Amino acid sequence: AQSVTQLGSHVSVSEGALVLLRCNYSSSVPPYLFWYVQYPNQGLQLLLKYTTGATLVKGINGFEAEFKKSETSFHLTKPSAHMSDAAEYFCAVSESDTDKLIFGTGTRLQVFP
Amino acid sequence: NAGVMQNPRHLVRRRGQEARLRCSPMKGHSHVYWYRQLPEEGLKFMVYLQKENIIDESGMPKERFSAEFPKEGPSILRIQQVVRGDSAAYFCASSPTRTVNTEAFFGQGTRLTVV
Repeated sequence: AQSVTQLGSHVSVSEGALVLLRCNYSSSVPPYLFWYVQYPNQGLQLLLKYTTGATLVKGINGFEAEFKKSETSFHLTKPSAHMSDAAEYFCAVSESDTDKLIFGTGTRLQVFP
Repeated sequence: NAGVMQNPRHLVRRRGQEARLRCSPMKGHSHVYWYRQLPEEGLKFMVYLQKENIIDESGMPKERFSAEFPKEGPSILRIQQVVRGDSAAYFCASSPTRTVNTEAFFGQGTRLTVV
């Protein structure tokens, strides 16, 4: 069965600092991997996704993530945090392009000035 | 994702009442997914529907919960005889094809509070 583990329910960084949000997955077949962002009282917005091909994926708002099969990881990074990045971030996995999404429990990112 | 409309945004129900949550997918989208987000948890899949058909309801509780997506009108998630444990945010996502993961758009959710 698929699962997603997000290490750290809360992450705090200073504005301008590196953002690193961790995600590890479990899947019996090559996975499809996603990062979503949720702003307060809003729905989810897709940041980026990995399906096949290049393992370093670039998304919106300067975020990127790297699929590492050997580590079963898909960590999200951004070189320089901005105040507007404060939100909750969810990692998700599915086993096919048509399957439902399995979400992690989320990581709340705080950015301090 | 503003194109997926969910209403109401907030819903308060007393225990034992019925809750009806509506989701109007984006124009041209005929596939709808419902997810539930409990406090301090991630989203959990509930049901996947196409027009007039339930495709996958493996995440739906066996009792009190039902969903439909009629030929005309929004998709409805119905919860009968609500209990406090039903308090959560319910999100709908839509896509034009079954390729949910590449083209799904989420609504802003309905926050259900059972008192």
